[in-house]
Amino acid sequence: DSGVTQTPKHLITATGQRVTLRCSPRSGDLSVYWYQQSLDQGLQFLIQYYNGEERAKGNILERFSAQQFPDLHSELNLSSLELGDSALYFCASSPSLKAFPYEQYFGPGTRLTVT
Amino acid sequence: ELKVEQNPLFLSMQEGKNYTIYCNYSTTSDRLYWYRQDPGKSLESLFVLLSNGAVKQEGRLMASLDTKARLSTLHITAAVHDLSATYFCAVPGGYGGATNKLIFGTGTLLAVQP
Repeated sequence: DSGVTQTPKHLITATGQRVTLRCSPRSGDLSVYWYQQSLDQGLQFLIQYYNGEERAKGNILERFSAQQFPDLHSELNLSSLELGDSALYFCASSPSLKAFPYEQYFGPGTRLTVT
Repeated sequence: ELKVEQNPLFLSMQEGKNYTIYCNYSTTSDRLYWYRQDPGKSLESLFVLLSNGAVKQEGRLMASLDTKARLSTLHITAAVHDLSATYFCAVPGGYGGATNKLIFGTGTLLAVQP
């Protein structure tokens, strides 16, 4: 158990809908990363937040957005869902940006199925 | 743009045999990470390699890093069925502490047959 929690574990929804995935980092970790894992795209970095602020963006669609709250938990919002958004979404956390080697600890993931 | 390639993509091994997974990356990096993923599960950290020539071993797995060649290897010694999983290497896509977003390789699916 990495100490990172994600809810829900599974989510089944229809095309066009909107969902919110939640992540609680390890106690004391300031950084939260979101990754998407799908068969055709592999494991892709989506977005990073550090202490409430967006730090880096990857291949994140405009229909997707995220935020990190004052208690450091993070939410990933996916809207206007398409079949191709079906994937496993991971959250990872790491300590301060000064904590070399910046190791990331992954949550159990949320499996999203869009029908 | 940083690219990370692994080969092979799929590896079927017999128990007791040795094999190596290769990870190449396209731009300079001072560190590299190896993860293991069981089907439908999360990523488990195996190794963090921090410098040129770094070698780390845990049980039947040994990882090494050659930053000049931009190559890391994951060597499996005397494979056992419990090692069956997908193995990923990952390289930081940002500089220093600004961001440590990880760029992952394609993964190597290892199947160890009895």
